[in-house]
Amino acid sequence: DAGITQSPRHKVTETGTPVTLRCHQTENHRYMYWYRQDPGHGLRLIHYSYGVKDTDKGEVSDGYSVSRSKTEDFLLTLESATSSQTSVYFCATRRGQGLLSNQPQHFGDGTRLSIL
Amino acid sequence: AQSVAQPEDQVNVAEGNPLTVKCTYSVSGNPYLFWYVQYPNRGLQFLLKYITGDNLVKGSYGFEAEFNKSQTSFHLKKPSALVSDSALYFCADGGANNLFFGTGTRLTVIP
Repeated sequence: DAGITQSPRHKVTETGTPVTLRCHQTENHRYMYWYRQDPGHGLRLIHYSYGVKDTDKGEVSDGYSVSRSKTEDFLLTLESATSSQTSVYFCATRRGQGLLSNQPQHFGDGTRLSIL
Repeated sequence: AQSVAQPEDQVNVAEGNPLTVKCTYSVSGNPYLFWYVQYPNRGLQFLLKYITGDNLVKGSYGFEAEFNKSQTSFHLKKPSALVSDSALYFCADGGANNLFFGTGTRLTVIP
């Protein structure tokens, strides 16, 4: 959807190791988002970006950092992974110039991350 | 505060019958409301949105939703359910900068 590729699609790692997830888009959308999906919680926003080098925190940002050096790429890093960060992670993009989210977001197919 | 609620975790409906997936919202100001669908091992797909205008919104795959301000609801509907409609459905409110999602409703259409 909207040319969004997430990598890797699956990853298993150990507690305390660093992990980086990548989101790549081909639609030149200005806004990019990282969510995590957990049973009973729906999707919760981790971080988002409103332009190159412009990022901000979401609802559940503790333990995560992001970077956006190019329009097309948005990286999510877990500096020291913990078991509570086991989840499915989704990247999304949105076009539009305004901050108000009246345009739909488009989602990648997710990364399933397991931290043992 | 902005939030949406989906009161039903699971909805079962027989194929060919009408379906409804419920969503209520609690926002200040005018809400921007969305419905998304998620199939197994896939990301969310946009179905429809309400911004302003007609209270009945038509979307993809024959779905529609009715915005009801007095009841603060935005229920998703389809006149005749298909087995292929079985999926996880999310209601969301588009506030400043991002979306606030409900917890999801799993729809099962029984052949």
